[in-house]
Amino acid sequence: AQKVTQAQTEISVVEKEDVTLDCVYETRDTTYYLFWYKQPPSGELVFLIRRNSFDEQNEISGRYSWNFQKSTSSFNFTITASQVVDSAVYFCALSEANGSTLGRLYFGRGTQLTVWP
Amino acid sequence: GAGVSQSPSNKVTEKGKDVELRCDPISGHTALYWYRQRLGQGLEFLIYFQGNSAPDKSGLPSDRFSAERTGESVSTLTIQRTQQEDSAVYLCASSPEVFTDTQYFGPGTRLTVL
Repeated sequence: AQKVTQAQTEISVVEKEDVTLDCVYETRDTTYYLFWYKQPPSGELVFLIRRNSFDEQNEISGRYSWNFQKSTSSFNFTITASQVVDSAVYFCALSEANGSTLGRLYFGRGTQLTVWP
Repeated sequence: GAGVSQSPSNKVTEKGKDVELRCDPISGHTALYWYRQRLGQGLEFLIYFQGNSAPDKSGLPSDRFSAERTGESVSTLTIQRTQQEDSAVYLCASSPEVFTDTQYFGPGTRLTVL
């Protein structure tokens, strides 16, 4: 079963629109971390944010914000006033405290975001 | 400081040949990971190394895949008798320690098996 689901395969918006990327995760662990990475056309994964399972506070960083809700097992990512440079594939990932899988990241399939000028 | 580096950036090989992919982690990072990304897919865990502990090889897809790491430095991922389904981007990541720390990724090696 998928541990991380990103239901949106592709999203297209026009510059300055707000866009939310959805991420739903599945784990039995009470201690875990959630991540978002950006993969621009160059291919290198760029770390955006990490949240632990005990911290449900939403976070804002410039135009980026993240909404973590344990009740719905979701960790959604919103870009406000999108720009062409935001065009990339965005991956949500989960890391569990379970000893047998300690250290590995489980990735969703990614959401391709295209921002048109 | 320098990030994770990988070489080669691109590798084209013929079916049946062996290939070696190299990863240089960020200096001081004790944990090193290999992932595979097939076209249009998310990343798939292959193996990770943590200091001198035995590596977690549970993600390796077959016995044609192996990896080594010298101490807390360079790692090589070897694929023997390559098959066309091995074509993918192989990404390496490192972190200061396992689990609690963010993994930082290299640029990847794009492997094409003809």
